[in-house]
Amino acid sequence: SQQGEEDPQALSIQEGENATMNCSYKTSINNLQWYRQNSGRGLVHLILIRSNEREKHSGRLRVTLDTSKKSSSLLITASRAADTASYFCATGGKAAGNKLTFGGGTRVLVKP
Amino acid sequence: KAGVTQTPRYLIKTRGQQVTLSCSPISGHRSVSWYQQTPGQGLQFLFEYFSETQRNKGNFPGRFSGRQFSNSRSEMNVSTLELGDSALYLCASSLQGDSGANVLTFGAGSRLTVL
Repeated sequence: SQQGEEDPQALSIQEGENATMNCSYKTSINNLQWYRQNSGRGLVHLILIRSNEREKHSGRLRVTLDTSKKSSSLLITASRAADTASYFCATGGKAAGNKLTFGGGTRVLVKP
Repeated sequence: KAGVTQTPRYLIKTRGQQVTLSCSPISGHRSVSWYQQTPGQGLQFLFEYFSETQRNKGNFPGRFSGRQFSNSRSEMNVSTLELGDSALYLCASSLQGDSGANVLTFGAGSRLTVL
């Protein structure tokens, strides 16, 4: 079963606008990661935020984490057509290993 | 350096057959994980191998199995295929595997269609 729920399921914006998507999860986590997937291909890692961090930036990406609300958000600023993809949050637990539990994803369409 | 390589990329099987998928991780990566992606269930964890040992396992029936070789290459096998096994199977590798805090590098996936 999936750990997280992502909101919205789909998002359509114009190039240059910001895109915000949210992820909620259920259990205690060690870290939360965001991945991007283009059109049914492999996933590409975007950013990782640890449970003791509240905010992290990487280029045009900003991720926040609120462990008290068990939620995270991903903000893409000044979006480009190339940002069109599905975005997934994934949580890593405290147990050893690389088992990630993925959310259902947000499909983002950036119109030129 | 080369990324994660999955073969075959596409395959079609019929119900009852079995299939073997292969994954070559990034050189030096010792952890290999497998995920199944379907429109209905999303991305679901199958299993993870580290140093030839299965370290974690998802909630899949015993028809799904895997192994890892001494060179870290991994294979997964699905026996007695069912229509519901049609999916994109993704392999991911990681440098090491402690506390799930490592970034996964995914392959392009193997798309299995079961007729």
